[in-house]
Amino acid sequence: QKEVEQNSGPLSVPEGAIASLNCTYSDRGSQSFFWYRQYSGKSPELIMFIYSNGDKEDGRFTAQLNKASQYVSLLIRDSQPSDSATYLCAVTGPGGSYIPTFGRGTSLIVHP
Amino acid sequence: DAMVIQNPRYQVTQFGKPVTLSCSQTLNHNVMYWYQQKSSQAPKLLFHYYDKDFNNEADTPDNFQSRRPNTSFCFLDIRSPGLGDAAMYLCATSRDLGDLGYEQYFGPGTRLTVT
Repeated sequence: QKEVEQNSGPLSVPEGAIASLNCTYSDRGSQSFFWYRQYSGKSPELIMFIYSNGDKEDGRFTAQLNKASQYVSLLIRDSQPSDSATYLCAVTGPGGSYIPTFGRGTSLIVHP
Repeated sequence: DAMVIQNPRYQVTQFGKPVTLSCSQTLNHNVMYWYQQKSSQAPKLLFHYYDKDFNNEADTPDNFQSRRPNTSFCFLDIRSPGLGDAAMYLCATSRDLGDLGYEQYFGPGTRLTVT
């Protein structure tokens, strides 16, 4: 059974700080890793995608992948109250899998 | 803009009264998915289509059915909604990334209330 684990939170950070969201996965063969942002009552929105070990940066967001440790993280720099949402981690398996496994999400609260 | 569209955005139905949710896409993606999401839970996959090939998750209740008449449209039918079926229903499509897998895009969702 493939599993994707996230701390449900809430993670509370002050405005302007770095928010660090973490995700671990059980399938060592997992190939692609996605971070979604989901505001309350809304659908998930894809914000980052990473498949190689290391860091990938997009604006204030950085995804970090460590396949040896089966760990993927999302850093949000200069956090804003508008970043307050649930962040879902999703993982797909090898060989061009098109069925992701989702974590339950981490709730982030950025307070002014 | 190319997108995934779901209708209606909010649906109220009575216990046991059939309901149909619709999804359309202008992305021309060949994979479409239906998810159920309840509060503070991960999206739960109900069905997916790879082109016309239909795949039913093993734990999807028989009460849920789906149709995909063409590439652009997909429907979720709930034959006899129970109170436990109240949830957000999410349609998604996927873009092929080759060996890297698929990148999913979600529609805005339909919030189903069962009274």
